[in-house]
Formats: sequence, C-alpha cells, structure tokens
Amino acid sequence: KNEVEQSPQNLTAQEGEFITINCSYSVGISALHWLQQHPGGGIVSLFMLSSGKKKHGRLIATINIQEKHSSLHITASHPRDSAVYICAVNFGNEKLTFGTGTRLTIIP
Amino acid sequence: NAGVTQTPKFQVLKTGQSMTLQCAQDMNHNSMYWYRQDPGMGLRLIYYSASEGTTDKGEVPNGYNVSRLNKREFSLRLESAAPSQTSVYFCASSEQYNSPLHFGNGTRLTVT
Repeated sequence: KNEVEQSPQNLTAQEGEFITINCSYSVGISALHWLQQHPGGGIVSLFMLSSGKKKHGRLIATINIQEKHSSLHITASHPRDSAVYICAVNFGNEKLTFGTGTRLTIIP
Repeated sequence: NAGVTQTPKFQVLKTGQSMTLQCAQDMNHNSMYWYRQDPGMGLRLIYYSASEGTTDKGEVPNGYNVSRLNKREFSLRLESAAPSQTSVYFCASSEQYNSPLHFGNGTRLTVT
C-alpha cells in the first residue's frame, strides 16, 4: 500500500530555532510536495521535488530517493512560520497521497 | 491574478439537501482536483479532472458527482447530503499532473 508518514505530529519551538520536519514514504515516487496550511485554513505549495534539494528564503527541502525520505527545514524560525506543514507524494499517477501534517508552533 | 476561486466559503445543509460547490481557475491549468479534509486525516481526493472533458474517481467518490464545465471550471455536487459529508472541501489545480498545486481557500460544509 502506498503510504506517507510524517513526524513529528506536533512541534513547539522557540523563535530562532532550526526546525526539521520529516516525511517517509513506502515505495518509489515520481514527485514529493511540501505544503503549508495556515491557521486560517488556506493551503500554499512550498516545494515540489523529485531529487536533491531546493531552497526558498529560510525554507529548505531535501529528498533522499534511496531512503524514501524527505525533510523540510526552517532556519531562524519565526512566529509567522506557525502552521501545519503537509507532505504529499505522487506515486506515479494523477493522485497524490497526503500525510496527516505536522503542526508547528513557534513561540516568541 | 485570482488563482483558484472557490465558493461558497461556508454552507450548512440538512440531511438530504443538495448543493454544488463551484471552483474556477484563471491559470490555464489542465488538471483540477476536489479534496476533502477531515480532522486527523490527510487530504483525500474525491474526484479529479486531468484535462477538459475528462473526470475520474479518486479515493472517496461515493456521494459526489463532478462536472468539468470547461477548462476553467470544475464543480462538485452533493445530490443528497449526509452528516458523513461534513468536512472542509478544497479545490486545487495544476498545470499538469506532477506540477505544483494551487489551492482554493476551502469550503466548510456542515450537514445536520
């Protein structure tokens, strides 16, 4: 069965800390997405990657195809980074499989 | 540039009532999707349309129908709402499969 697991489920950190959120999947994929869902409910696409590493501002996403694992890092975290971060995986067709999300809270 | 526009934002229905959720995108995307989001679960695909004129079932299609009216619009219809359909519904689009997703702001539906 094609599965996506995220860890941790919840993460609370102090402002300025380096944050890592993990995503593991069960079988080979064609692409992996990282999404951000703010408390208001809107969902924004952060990254789509199939190999290597991508960076946008303070956000970095990496993927290790052999280990079937991806990480999302946030450097110099800020309270406005507080959100739910969702990993979604494309197992080779039009349908994405979503993780249940990591709720991140950054305390000032 | 509006992106993906989804209406309504909130809706309360009684069991057995029908309604249509509307979604439109202005990015000339080929693929469009309807998802539902329930507490403690990941987003689940209800239906998708890989291109204008085609629709396919996703993971949880029972109780729903869709129409890809044209390239811009993809509607989701509940013919006879049930309490189990209480959820937050998101429409999304992408240029093609394996492209970044763009989401609407969601519809919070309550069925009593």
